[in-house]
Amino acid sequence: GDSVTQMEGPVTLSEEAFLTINCTYTATGYPSLFWYVQYPGEGLQLLLKATKADDKGSNKGFEATYRKETTSFHLEKGSVQVSDSAVYFCALSGQYSGAGSYQLTFGKGTKLSVIP
Amino acid sequence: DTGVSQDPRHKITKRGQNVTFRCDPISEHNRLYWYRQTLGQGPEFLTYFQNEAQLEKSRLLSDRFSAERPKGSFSTLEIQRTEQGDSAMYLCASSPGRANYGYTFGSGTRLTVV
Repeated sequence: GDSVTQMEGPVTLSEEAFLTINCTYTATGYPSLFWYVQYPGEGLQLLLKATKADDKGSNKGFEATYRKETTSFHLEKGSVQVSDSAVYFCALSGQYSGAGSYQLTFGKGTKLSVIP
Repeated sequence: DTGVSQDPRHKITKRGQNVTFRCDPISEHNRLYWYRQTLGQGPEFLTYFQNEAQLEKSRLLSDRFSAERPKGSFSTLEIQRTEQGDSAMYLCASSPGRANYGYTFGSGTRLTVV
């Protein structure tokens, strides 16, 4: 079945440092790929997405490129801020079921802490 | 439009009791999902509605779990005879139309079974 593997955290960075969170996936066909962010005590927010190979998703300074050859969707940000401290989840929407649910398969999440 | 609302935010119950959670999706979204998230893990799919029809259920959804979406609006998730293993965050999400644009999640209901 579908699966997502993220680098294990926690990740601690100083403000303005460069961020990379690795994500690789296993899926049949051509999944859509997502990054979600979860702030303490809150639900998940869609950060960015890519629906086909070589697409680059971007939002709020974060970027990720859909690499089908390496089955990867790594999250990057050039200069992190304290406000970026959160848990980041990589996810895919793969197998299209007859019901058309587009259900998501998530990684375990990577906790990011940014210190001033 | 205030997004996806879930109620209650927190629920503490004794083992063996029944609990019911409510989700109000974004009004124009016809797709509604329930996910479960345990500590340190990513969310796991439980079930999916398109309008009022429950079209998909995960094997995680045991016989003690039931979900409804009457009239294709709000949804309820009931857990009967709760067990300690049911302790988790229950997340509701909704999305529009046919395309796979990603979901809008609610803030979740955190269930603690003591």
